[in-house]
Amino acid sequence: GQQVMQIPQYQHVQEGEDFTTYCNSSTTLSNIQWYKQRPGGHPVFLIQLVKSGEVKKQKRLTFQFGEAKKNSSLHITATQTTDVGTYFCAGPGGVTDSWGKLQFGAGTQVVVTP
Amino acid sequence: KAGVTQTPRYLIKTRGQQVTLSCSPISGHRSVSWYQQTPGQGLQFLFEYFSETQRNKGNFPGRFSGRQFSNSRSEMNVSTLELGDSALYLCASSFRLAGGPHNEQFFGPGTRLTVL
Repeated sequence: GQQVMQIPQYQHVQEGEDFTTYCNSSTTLSNIQWYKQRPGGHPVFLIQLVKSGEVKKQKRLTFQFGEAKKNSSLHITATQTTDVGTYFCAGPGGVTDSWGKLQFGAGTQVVVTP
Repeated sequence: KAGVTQTPRYLIKTRGQQVTLSCSPISGHRSVSWYQQTPGQGLQFLFEYFSETQRNKGNFPGRFSGRQFSNSRSEMNVSTLELGDSALYLCASSFRLAGGPHNEQFFGPGTRLTVL
């Protein structure tokens, strides 16, 4: 079945530095979503990418969907302490009528050092 | 709009017991999905309900079940609890047209279940 893999698992970043987390799927994805979970919190939706090669920006966050729609990345510039948390990518869990079923990657846990 | 609410927030049970968790979705959201989150397995899909019908099911044993009511509120039940069922159970709701895709899922705060 479809698997969504995410690397790195952990990311220690100095405040002000940039970093990127990557998401790879074993199959082509119709779309990919990104979520952020703060420590002790619940996942919060960040963005959804649908088109091949799509790039979307949210302030310091840049999301990209690969041309083959099998990989995605999240790049954060000038990391701040508010960026602490775990970032998950998620793809549809099936083929048809599976929109309510998300297949989550393992997440990238981000720790920011002041 | 009020967010997704889950009750109870914390629960301690012993092996062999059963538990029922409740989820109230955002008003107007008819799709409710349940996820189990553990440090070892991450976020795993349990099931999705839409219009009182189970639409999708994850790879969990039959001890895990759920239902959805006409007001879209949902419950999940775990019978014969095992130590490995200790986890954060998250409910997520989304707006979904029948047969169509939906956008983001809005997660509730979760129920932290500890099985002793």
